[in-house]
Amino acid sequence: DAMVIQNPRYQVTQFGKPVTLSCSQTLNHNVMYWYQQKSSQAPKLLFHYYDKDFNNEADTPDNFQSRRPNTSFCFLDIRSPGLGDAAMYLCATRRLAGEEQYFGPGTRLTVT
Amino acid sequence: GDSVTQMEGPVTLSEEAFLTINCTYTATGYPSLFWYVQYPGEGLQLLLKATKADDKGSNKGFEATYRKETTSFHLEKGSVQVSDSAVYFCALGRGSNTGKLIFGQGTTLQVKP
Repeated sequence: DAMVIQNPRYQVTQFGKPVTLSCSQTLNHNVMYWYQQKSSQAPKLLFHYYDKDFNNEADTPDNFQSRRPNTSFCFLDIRSPGLGDAAMYLCATRRLAGEEQYFGPGTRLTVT
Repeated sequence: GDSVTQMEGPVTLSEEAFLTINCTYTATGYPSLFWYVQYPGEGLQLLLKATKADDKGSNKGFEATYRKETTSFHLEKGSVQVSDSAVYFCALGRGSNTGKLIFGQGTTLQVKP
């Protein structure tokens, strides 16, 4: 089945220690998104790629970076995680002609 | 700008009860409307969608009708099950290179046996 895969599902990192979350897709979609979701809240868009074109949301902290080496993979790098960065991180994809987004299962990040 | 407002939760129902979760939106033009469901510890799953006025989206017994005159997209199900317990998000989107989704705040549904 075509899908969006996120690894790992659970990640524990130390305060200030860089961490990378990964997302891969077999849908061959042009657009990939990264969201941050905190408890009982709606997902908050951090940035997205339209093919290799990177688009940052205005309020995304500089601490968050992203890479998309090819169509299938996208990475979220948190350079110096703080306690406030503990959250669920969701990856989503969308084909260019469509409007709905397809979400992965998420990575739950804990910062100790 | 675009916005989506959902009824506040949690909503607690007994099994086989009728469900309505209200969703209203503010937007110019003709956006598409979606309902996503999130089960505990999981990502969001697309439940249903409608792309133009008077469209009815339906899936797994859930329905929602795109009402432009009332700017609403209320989610309904005739008989809920315990397995429907989840958080439901109403969202608005536009077909564009960006394709951003504007989410409502989410409504938690708890169904008791």
